[in-house]
Amino acid sequence: DAMVIQNPRYQVTQFGKPVTLSCSQTLNHNVMYWYQQKSSQAPKLLFHYYDKDFNNEADTPDNFQSRRPNTSFCFLDIRSPGLGDAAMYLCATSRDFNYEQYFGPGTRLTVT
Amino acid sequence: DQQVKQNSPSLSVQEGRISILNCDYTNSMFDYFLWYKKYPAEGPTFLISISSIKDKNEDGRFTVFLNKSAKHLSLHIVPSQPGDSAVYFCAASGRSGSEKLVFGKGTKLTVNP
Repeated sequence: DAMVIQNPRYQVTQFGKPVTLSCSQTLNHNVMYWYQQKSSQAPKLLFHYYDKDFNNEADTPDNFQSRRPNTSFCFLDIRSPGLGDAAMYLCATSRDFNYEQYFGPGTRLTVT
Repeated sequence: DQQVKQNSPSLSVQEGRISILNCDYTNSMFDYFLWYKKYPAEGPTFLISISSIKDKNEDGRFTVFLNKSAKHLSLHIVPSQPGDSAVYFCAASGRSGSEKLVFGKGTKLTVNP
C-alpha cells in the first residue's frame, strides 16, 4: 500500500542534543511537508519541499532544518532541542499544491 | 491570529443520530476546504473536501456544507457510528496562489453506543 512512513514513532532526546526525524513516502508525491502539533493545538506548518525547492515558514525557528535528498525521503533536523520543542511532528505529502495532503502517523518528541 | 476556528473542542452524540461539526474562517482568500479525521496515535486522514464554487459535497454518510457569505462550513455525519469517534480538523487553503493548509484546533467527537 502506498503510504507515508515516519520513524521513529517516539523519540526522546536531551535538552540541546541534536535529533533527526525521518519521513518516507511511496506515493511519489511532489510536495512534502513538516508540521508541528502541540496538545490541543492545530498542526502548524514548519516548512515544505516542492520537489527540491525548499520553502520555510516565516515563523519557523532557525533551530529547525530540513533535508530532502530524494523524492521519497525528507528529514527534520532539530539542532538544539529545547523543552518547548516537545510535540508531535507530522509529515505529509501531496501530489501538488492544493491537493489533499496525506499524513504519516507522526513522531512524538520528548525533550528531557 | 486564528484564521480557521473550531469553537467546540468536543462534541458528544448518540449512535444513529446526526453529528454536526462547525468551522469558521476569517480569510476571504480561502477557497478550498477540507476535513480531516484523526484517531489517537495516528496521523490525520483526509475525509472530504469542498471547493468554494460549491455549497455542498456529499460522500456517503459525510456531507460538508459551505456558506461563503458567513465564512462558515460544517461537516454532517449521519447516521453517526461509534467508529466515528475521533478528532476532526477543519482546514482551508487558497487554490490560487497559496499552497499552505491552515488548520483549526480540532473538535473531539465522541459517539456513544
